[in-house]
Amino acid sequence: DVKVTQSSRYLVKRTGEKVFLECVQDMDHENMFWYRQDPGLGLRLIYFSYDVKMKEKGDIPEGYSVSREKKERFSLILESASTNQTSMYLCASRASYQETQYFGPGTRLLVL
Amino acid sequence: QKEVEQDPGPLSVPEGAIVSLNCTYSNSAFQYFMWYRQYSRKGPELLMYTYSSGNKEDGRFTAQVDKSSKYISLFIRDSQPSDSATYLCAVYGGSQGNLIFGKGTKLSVKP
Repeated sequence: DVKVTQSSRYLVKRTGEKVFLECVQDMDHENMFWYRQDPGLGLRLIYFSYDVKMKEKGDIPEGYSVSREKKERFSLILESASTNQTSMYLCASRASYQETQYFGPGTRLLVL
Repeated sequence: QKEVEQDPGPLSVPEGAIVSLNCTYSNSAFQYFMWYRQYSRKGPELLMYTYSSGNKEDGRFTAQVDKSSKYISLFIRDSQPSDSATYLCAVYGGSQGNLIFGKGTKLSVKP
């Protein structure tokens, strides 16, 4: 079974803090993704990576950055958290020969 | 026109009912179609995966793709309260080979 884990289920941060969200997958997948999910807006792609040290902007990259130093790990960074970044953050991974993505359990981030 | 459209519901049915969830998509080149189920406060999990047109059945779940009308459906037979979740349709084939998701339909099955 594919396992995608995220470092925290719930996080509370203050405006202006730097926030790190970590994602690890154990299936040697080449592709990894970060989404945010908000009521009425669905899943929106923030960034994705198709290889170590590679990153591509998704639909809403502003205010975020990512890091992929190892194949199994993909980090999402909020350089200076703002209240409009309060959301559910979901990480996913996909093998290069597959179309399906496998999701982690999500991190609910509240920025005060 | 959005690439994938899905009625957000909510949809409420009695236990045992047949449920029909639907999406439309805009690009006839899409070939791979998926349904994900997401329980409250959890990540989406892959439920059904279909290639091209036709039906695929897995227990009480049937996924159907009609490429001529660009319509994908998920049917749930003998629905159970445990089926209460948000169902997301997805197609593979975005600009960089990523998944394009519908916004999800929230389903509630009442005992």
